[in-house]
Amino acid sequence: QKEVEQDPGPLSVPEGAIVSLNCTYSNSAFQYFMWYRQYSRKGPELLMYTYSSGNKEDGRFTAQVDKSSKYISLFIRDSQPSDSATYLCADVGGTSYGKLTFGQGTILTVHP
Amino acid sequence: EAEVAQSPRYKITEKSQAVAFWCDPISGHATLYWYRQILGQGPELLVQFQDESVVDDSQLPKDRFSAERLKGVDSTLKIQPAELGDSAMYLCASSFRMNTEAFFGQGTRLTVV
Repeated sequence: QKEVEQDPGPLSVPEGAIVSLNCTYSNSAFQYFMWYRQYSRKGPELLMYTYSSGNKEDGRFTAQVDKSSKYISLFIRDSQPSDSATYLCADVGGTSYGKLTFGQGTILTVHP
Repeated sequence: EAEVAQSPRYKITEKSQAVAFWCDPISGHATLYWYRQILGQGPELLVQFQDESVVDDSQLPKDRFSAERLKGVDSTLKIQPAELGDSAMYLCASSFRMNTEAFFGQGTRLTVV
């Protein structure tokens, strides 16, 4: 079992829709969580960083963490065609040096 | 805006040749990561440095891969000899310290022919 499992998608939504991207993790020692956006042939770009259960909002993006269920989500409101990308969840912890472990990514397409 | 620099952006090499990638992290960042990303998959950690010390190289194929960060600043990842299966995106990331936000460079896309 992978330490971080991510809904693989792909996901296709119309412009303006609310998008929900989800990951589960197995190692309860994971302490910090990040969401990245990756455009084709580019490096991942950090969107959100959170370390506590609950919601964290940044513009159209909301990261949600439920440590009791080992479940993390990213919500995108009012999705735009420019949001079309691969979204990666990443968890930090589980070791003394803070290993950063990624899910396999979800491909999102927002069509006009 | 500070960013992680990687070079080259693209590299085509023949099987059995040596290849090297360079990474310059954000100034002041003590933690440096090298990841490999195969198309359609998430990045997988090859090696993690804390300053100049390796803290995790458990997934680094040590018979052909080597990594160094001699002065605790920039880093080099080397493959010798390259194999067809090494074709992938090689990503470098850095963070101020362990367990903080990690920022990625644009990566080096390696094609082995």
